[in-house]
Amino acid sequence: ETGVTQSPTHLIKTRGQQVTLRCSSQSGHNTVSWYQQALGQGPQFIFQYYREEENGRGNFPPRFSGLQFPNYSSELNVNALELDDSALYLCASSLASGAYNEQFFGPGTRLTVL
Amino acid sequence: TQLLEQSPQFLSIQEGENLTVYCNSSSVFSSLQWYRQEPGEGPVLLVTVVTGGEVKKLKRLTFQFGDARKDSSLHITAAQPGDTGLYLCAGVYAGNNRKLIWGLGTSLAVNP
Repeated sequence: ETGVTQSPTHLIKTRGQQVTLRCSSQSGHNTVSWYQQALGQGPQFIFQYYREEENGRGNFPPRFSGLQFPNYSSELNVNALELDDSALYLCASSLASGAYNEQFFGPGTRLTVL
Repeated sequence: TQLLEQSPQFLSIQEGENLTVYCNSSSVFSSLQWYRQEPGEGPVLLVTVVTGGEVKKLKRLTFQFGDARKDSSLHITAAQPGDTGLYLCAGVYAGNNRKLIWGLGTSLAVNP
């Protein structure tokens, strides 16, 4: 069984730039969720994708967007980067048919915006 | 607004001590999950509790779900340095279409 993988592991960008983060879901999982996590705090839900469509969104502006592909992998795109976007970005996969929405996380991408 | 409060926010103890972390809400959960996150890694699911009053054990960790399903606790017996990490609870509220609500976490440091 292959776990959730994310790339890149670290990324440095400057304010105003755009970034794309990538995630491969755990084998057999058809749903991907993205989270933003500040140091020492809990994850903040950005959005979830199921069947290649957004299926729920947290309190994030439209410059945060995503995609899910037929193989269930996903991308998170952030436009017009701001300093406050510096955080750990976590991808989690799950089963839409799962009873409890249990999340299986990747190791994250550490984004630094200068 | 549905809130899930965790306490304490920070905890620093010596190896061998016991500790309890709490997760509380004013609303009823249909299920609740506990995760542990080590530095530089993503959270790892430890347990899911579903039934009011349920107790689950994972080696030295004991998880309890309140009878009314509004609160949960995590008790660690004889803590070890390997228990160091951020402990997160996340719940699905009854009737909330499986949306997960996350606590802010408890940062635990176990000193040798």
